[in-house]
Amino acid sequence: EIVLTQSPGTLSLSPGERATLSCRASQNVNNNYLAWYQQKPGQAPRLLIYDASSRATGIPDRFSGSGSGTDFTLTISRLEPEDFAVYHCQQYANSPRTFGQGTKVEIK
Amino acid sequence: QVQLQESGPGLAKPSETLSLTCSVSGGSISSNYWSWIRQPPGKGLEWIGYVHNSGATDYNPSLKSRVTISQDTSKSQSSLKLSSVTAADTAVYYCTKGSGWYFSWGQGALVTVSS
Repeated sequence: EIVLTQSPGTLSLSPGERATLSCRASQNVNNNYLAWYQQKPGQAPRLLIYDASSRATGIPDRFSGSGSGTDFTLTISRLEPEDFAVYHCQQYANSPRTFGQGTKVEIK
Repeated sequence: QVQLQESGPGLAKPSETLSLTCSVSGGSISSNYWSWIRQPPGKGLEWIGYVHNSGATDYNPSLKSRVTISQDTSKSQSSLKLSSVTAADTAVYYCTKGSGWYFSWGQGALVTVSS
């Protein structure tokens, strides 16, 4: 099974700042089959990025994904108040599908 | 835009079987994969498995001996059964569309395992 490790666990930033979230895989994620989700309290996750760098429908362009192989990054160029949430990465290259433990982006 | 709605008992007793249903509206249940994912309170997401209307299934090995995911095309529903539950199975259970990345999610159903 591919283990995904997200860092940092918590990111404390101010609105307008840039957020850089990391997701590292224990083995190569073939075809860069990696997705990113945003989750707010009491809500289901919301797909942001798939195939490592493709934005999902309706996602603002301040969200971008990059990386390949075992190292992936989600960047939020300028944090808006609604972006403070937990972010999860997920791989779908192998079964079982696996998720990282999440990164919380909180207001500083 | 497909909409998903989980339903089922919010409480299960230890050693019993947890059963949830996902009702699909706004789209066809056929020719699609339907997955289940869970999230224990305050923890991360765990993939449970999926079903395709061809009958194909894939399950997380950590749950494989206890889980069954099925699909009823006539009712536009997917179902999850998890047997021999313990407190560790307490979680919000989500149904989703797809087998890779997940765009459409239900709102989630909290199931608490307690006597």
